[in-house]
Amino acid sequence: EDQVTQSPEALRLQEGESSSLNCSYTVSGLRGLFWYRQDPGKGPEFLFTLYSAGEEKEKERLKATLTKKESFLHITAPKPEDSATYLCAVTKSNTGKLIFGQGTTLQVKP
Amino acid sequence: DAGVIQSPRHEVTEMGQEVTLRCKPISGHDYLFWYRQTMMRGLELLIYFNNNVPIDDSGMPEDRFSAKMPNASFSTLKIQPSEPRDSAVYFCAIADTDKNIQYFGAGTRLSVL
Repeated sequence: EDQVTQSPEALRLQEGESSSLNCSYTVSGLRGLFWYRQDPGKGPEFLFTLYSAGEEKEKERLKATLTKKESFLHITAPKPEDSATYLCAVTKSNTGKLIFGQGTTLQVKP
Repeated sequence: DAGVIQSPRHEVTEMGQEVTLRCKPISGHDYLFWYRQTMMRGLELLIYFNNNVPIDDSGMPEDRFSAKMPNASFSTLKIQPSEPRDSAVYFCAIADTDKNIQYFGAGTRLSVL
């Protein structure tokens, strides 16, 4: 069964304390892996697309990486405004059908 | 959220009542998706449309759920009759050429008592 597992479920950091979120997947024929950010009371917001092992993408304090079994979202020197739930999703085909993980809720304290 | 307007934002109804959720894409798009989000099951795709035509409804939980897209600017998700287990946040999302980059609305929080 196709599965996307994110860890940890929740993460508390002090401002400036770097860390990583994990997304592991068991999907046959992965075509792409995606990271979204979700703020309370809002819909998910697209962050990154990764298509092949070894690929990396960066945006401000975030960097996403991909291996054959997992992806990491590295957060460098986070700020309180980075607090949100980060969702990982995969697709097996080019149809737009995304399989989402349960998410990691990040809280960054000043 | 700016690309998709969902209404109502909150809906409280009683078991057995019909519920209609609405989605109005503001910008042009080729694809429209309906998702459901719960604590237990996370974010699940229910159905998606391509150029107003339903392509895959395998995620629709049962016959009580139906979705329509009469034109490119409007879509509805209907639940009839509603049950307490339908309580969730329902999202509408759109996408263009890259259908994996999806833009979500703010969602409708549905509570069925």
